[in-house]
Amino acid sequence: GNSVTQMEGPVTLSEEAFLTINCTYTATGYPSLFWYVQYPGEGLQLLLKATKADDKGSNKGFEATYRKETTSFHLEKGSVQVSDSAVYFCALSRLDGATNKLIFGTGTLLAVQP
Amino acid sequence: KAGVTQTPRYLIKTRGQQVTLSCSPISGHRSVSWYQQTPGQGLQFLFEYFSETQRNKGNFPGRFSGRQFSNSRSEMNVSTLELGDSALYLCASGQGGLATNEKLFFGSGTQLSVL
Repeated sequence: GNSVTQMEGPVTLSEEAFLTINCTYTATGYPSLFWYVQYPGEGLQLLLKATKADDKGSNKGFEATYRKETTSFHLEKGSVQVSDSAVYFCALSRLDGATNKLIFGTGTLLAVQP
Repeated sequence: KAGVTQTPRYLIKTRGQQVTLSCSPISGHRSVSWYQQTPGQGLQFLFEYFSETQRNKGNFPGRFSGRQFSNSRSEMNVSTLELGDSALYLCASGQGGLATNEKLFFGSGTQLSVL
């Protein structure tokens, strides 16, 4: 079946440290891949996406590359800030009939300390 | 452009009661999907509505139902509430096209607590 596996958190970093959150997926066909972020007490916000192999999604200093050979979509940022503290969800999108359905990983809590 | 609006923001109910949650999608969007978020199960797909029709349903009991109105606003209903229904219920708005790269926009959610 289709699934997403994320590294377990929490991930605790100091400000300006390098961030990597690992994400691997299992899917049939050619899904699109997404990273969503959830700040405390809020819903999900789309952070970035990639729709085909070797695509790189980027936004607000975050990047992730769609690697079909390793079925991965790892999230990276060169220098994190305290304001990046949140839960990050990796997701894949697949068509189930006529529905564009998101399948999420379990989420990774990132805590950035000043 | 206004975002996805979910009401109420918080809800406290007791076991056996029923509850109705509301979601207003982004103007022009015709698809509304509902997701349940719990610490144990993570984010799980409940159902999707498009043009007033349920297009898909996740693996949830029949106590969970929904509908969509002609203005694309959607409601979900949970009857005979159980303690395990305590969760954050998220609504996602989209254009409803048949492409996996479609962006879905989420509301802030309704936090339901069942006592």
